[in-house]
Amino acid sequence: DIQMTQSPSSLSASVGDRVTITCRASQTISRYLNWYQQKPGKAPKLLIYDASSLQSGAPPRFSGSGSGTDFTLTISSLQPEDSATYYCQQSYSPLTFGGGTKVEIK
Amino acid sequence: QVQLVQSGAEVKKPGASVKVSCKASGYTFNSYSMHWVRQAPGQRLEWMGWSNAGNGNTKYSQKFQGRVSITRDTSASTAYMELSSLRSEDTAVYYCARVLTVVLTATLGYWGQGTLVTVSS
Repeated sequence: DIQMTQSPSSLSASVGDRVTITCRASQTISRYLNWYQQKPGKAPKLLIYDASSLQSGAPPRFSGSGSGTDFTLTISSLQPEDSATYYCQQSYSPLTFGGGTKVEIK
Repeated sequence: QVQLVQSGAEVKKPGASVKVSCKASGYTFNSYSMHWVRQAPGQRLEWMGWSNAGNGNTKYSQKFQGRVSITRDTSASTAYMELSSLRSEDTAVYYCARVLTVVLTATLGYWGQGTLVTVSS
């Protein structure tokens, strides 16, 4: 199985800050990488698919990049409603997820 | 709009089985594959398996092979996930998740609200 490693596991940033989360795959996955946002007690919500495609309805301050084994999710200007845990997921079977990055607002 | 509504919370004893339903609306049920993902308390999301709408096949994570069964009732637009031989480690929230498009079959575009399954003696 492909292992997904996210860093950091948590971060605290101020409103308006630029935030970057990284995700590393244990083997190359081309651009088959998705990002989800999960708020407490809620189901995950797709933000970015195929490494860099913004899901319909997701705010444009979210962007994704990378290919191969290294990927990033960037929030260009952090907003209070972005407080959540973010997960990456690779698309080769079996699907696997990263451990999550909890984003808190200072 | 796409909606996935799951069945309610369950409490089961070790060794029992649980069957979670996921009723779909707002799209042509037969056309889109459905995955099942679980999340134990404080843990990462864990993929359990999927039902491929294209060929009718199912595929399961090796971890759950032999204990999980994913089925679909197209007449009721409902997907089901049954997990047997439950143990305390199976306590988790179980999600159904529809693929984003007929092509992006590993991108989980729409999620149910989750069903909490508690396994306790």
